[in-house]
Amino acid sequence: ETGVTQTPRHLVMGMTNKKSLKCEQHLGHNAMYWYKQSAKKPLELMFVYNFKEQTENNSVPSRFSPECPNSSHLFLHLHTLQPEDSALYLCASSQSMDRGPISGNTIYFGEGSWLTVV
Amino acid sequence: AQTVTQSQPEMSVQEAETVTLSCTYDTSENNYYLFWYKQPPSRQMILVIRQEAYKQQNATENRFSVNFQKAAKSFSLKISDSQLGDTAMYFCAFMNTDKLIFGTGTRLQVFP
Repeated sequence: ETGVTQTPRHLVMGMTNKKSLKCEQHLGHNAMYWYKQSAKKPLELMFVYNFKEQTENNSVPSRFSPECPNSSHLFLHLHTLQPEDSALYLCASSQSMDRGPISGNTIYFGEGSWLTVV
Repeated sequence: AQTVTQSQPEMSVQEAETVTLSCTYDTSENNYYLFWYKQPPSRQMILVIRQEAYKQQNATENRFSVNFQKAAKSFSLKISDSQLGDTAMYFCAFMNTDKLIFGTGTRLQVFP
């Protein structure tokens, strides 16, 4: 059983749809992350939230909109996606001691949400 | 910019044997952390082992150990007594501040 839960596990959406991916962590962590895993490419960091504040946006297109209402929940809102956005989206969390750099703390991952854009 | 290179796309090993997965990285930082993650068919990334760059002693977790060569920027993973359940993708990762940077992974197949 994982301490990071992602829903839905599988999502198929059209290019004009609006959908959201949800992530919840039960580990008491303060930092949360979205990663994208495409075939034959390294995992790409998308967003980082530390104490609900976004600290990293890795040049992600605006059709991906993250939301972090509290330290336990993270959403990724999807709108007008492209077929090349089809991928596995991984949520993760880690402990951070303060609002500074998170350095060194182990990052724990969820099982991912498979997204297919048609 | 930091980069992580895994030069072995695929590896195979017979059950009970030992296998070593390679990883090199490039950074100008002196303080950082290195990780090996395992991703089985379920796709969940599972931490295998963690190494602090300021520690000279190689990290060990049961059958998993690393050979950390800081000067060479090398961080290989050795799996001893391989088990069928070790079959998975293995990712080497580098971290400083809040960014975890992954290599492209090595697919390990353990044969009976």
